[in-house]
Amino acid sequence: DTAVSQTPKYLVTQMGNDKSIKCEQNLGHDTMYWYKQDSKKFLKIMFSYNNKELIINETVPNRFSPKSPDKAHLNLHINSLELGDSAVYFCASSQGAQREGQETQYFGPGTRLLVL
Amino acid sequence: GQNIDQPTEMTATEGAIVQINCTYQTSGFNGLFWYQQHAGEAPTFLSYNVLDGLEEKGRFSSFLSRSKGYSYLLLKELQMKDSASYLCALGGGGNKLTFGTGTQLKVEL
Repeated sequence: DTAVSQTPKYLVTQMGNDKSIKCEQNLGHDTMYWYKQDSKKFLKIMFSYNNKELIINETVPNRFSPKSPDKAHLNLHINSLELGDSAVYFCASSQGAQREGQETQYFGPGTRLLVL
Repeated sequence: GQNIDQPTEMTATEGAIVQINCTYQTSGFNGLFWYQQHAGEAPTFLSYNVLDGLEEKGRFSSFLSRSKGYSYLLLKELQMKDSASYLCALGGGGNKLTFGTGTQLKVEL
């Protein structure tokens, strides 16, 4: 009965590789997000999608490309991985985005990415 | 832009009450959220405020004063399992959450 799930949980890879992280939610929510948490535990939004439409696209290198095949899934593809990409990536979802800034977000367990 | 400040670390005793402050400078926001994050786990939602005042949810309460740019999270009857990081976040356009740096709370016997 997992609400927001992510795969893989751990990802260790070499610099220059391309990798993907998958996220799925079974809450029936319309909006999904990707956050990055760095080594200092600072959590920062990267992207959000509402019903498969890109809503938020923060200042993120274009090596990062989100894809939402349907409103229950939001994947993150990263090209040409760099050392600085090492972080924990959290997916989240919320009911919608109608009550702007007031929608509770529910987070997945995170994907720990280590680039060597 | 937005600037959100929280104390880096706090220590409290089991059974006591602790108040974790969050001050912010921003041009506007819609809701202020508090999340709890245990080491190695996902942030989990605790409480949120839209209007000024106190919101109570069991052992956790959150307070907001928009005029003072200030919020706090109050934890009562502290338990060892409350040792975690507590994150203050502002909810804005597009439902974007902007997080503070977090406060690491350690509960001791």
